[in-house]
Amino acid sequence: SQQGEEDPQALSIQEGENATMNCSYKTSINNLQWYRQNSGRGLVHLILIRSNEREKHSGRLRVTLDTSKKSSSLLITASRAADTASYFCAGMDTGRRALTFGSGTRLQVQP
Amino acid sequence: GAVVSQHPSWVICKSGTSVKIECRSLDFQATTMFWYRQFPKQSLMLMATSNEGSKATYEQGVEKDKFLINHASLTLSTLTVTSAHPEDSSFYICSARSAGTSGRAHNEQFFGPGTRLTVL
Repeated sequence: SQQGEEDPQALSIQEGENATMNCSYKTSINNLQWYRQNSGRGLVHLILIRSNEREKHSGRLRVTLDTSKKSSSLLITASRAADTASYFCAGMDTGRRALTFGSGTRLQVQP
Repeated sequence: GAVVSQHPSWVICKSGTSVKIECRSLDFQATTMFWYRQFPKQSLMLMATSNEGSKATYEQGVEKDKFLINHASLTLSTLTVTSAHPEDSSFYICSARSAGTSGRAHNEQFFGPGTRLTVL
């Protein structure tokens, strides 16, 4: 089963613009993680936010977490063509201690 | 560098044959490993949770007799796709959860690079 939905499913922006992706999840989580995946490749871990945190930054990435709404957002600032990839949120379920993934957002950054 | 490896990285087989995929944690012990499957343009779906020395726990809808999982040591789990058919063609990704030894934080999870299976 999947953790939840991400929106938008696809996003196309110009280089330099900001990209915002949203994720909703269903179960109680210990933490929520964001990954990127280039087409046909493995996962790259981007950032982890714990359930007791509300916001976290890493370079051009900003992640928020709202446990009351069971939602998270990933903001990529000053996007680059190299940011073109699929982005997935994944929640660490408190019960099963397994990561379950959202449906993903395909980001296309036009040079 | 990579901390979890998968072998092979890709495999093409004929319908009806069995394929074994290995997942190894390279510099830490993993009491738990997870197997995921990803169809094209879709997300990762958890197939099963593998604990060292015990039977795997399969997600609903995943056939345990078709996807055999063996976690014989703290650094190796294998997934065997038995009697593979074209609909089993997919990207299989494992992840390993650290036991907290060898300098890796307890419960830190690392993903392998994936294995692309194509069944003709």
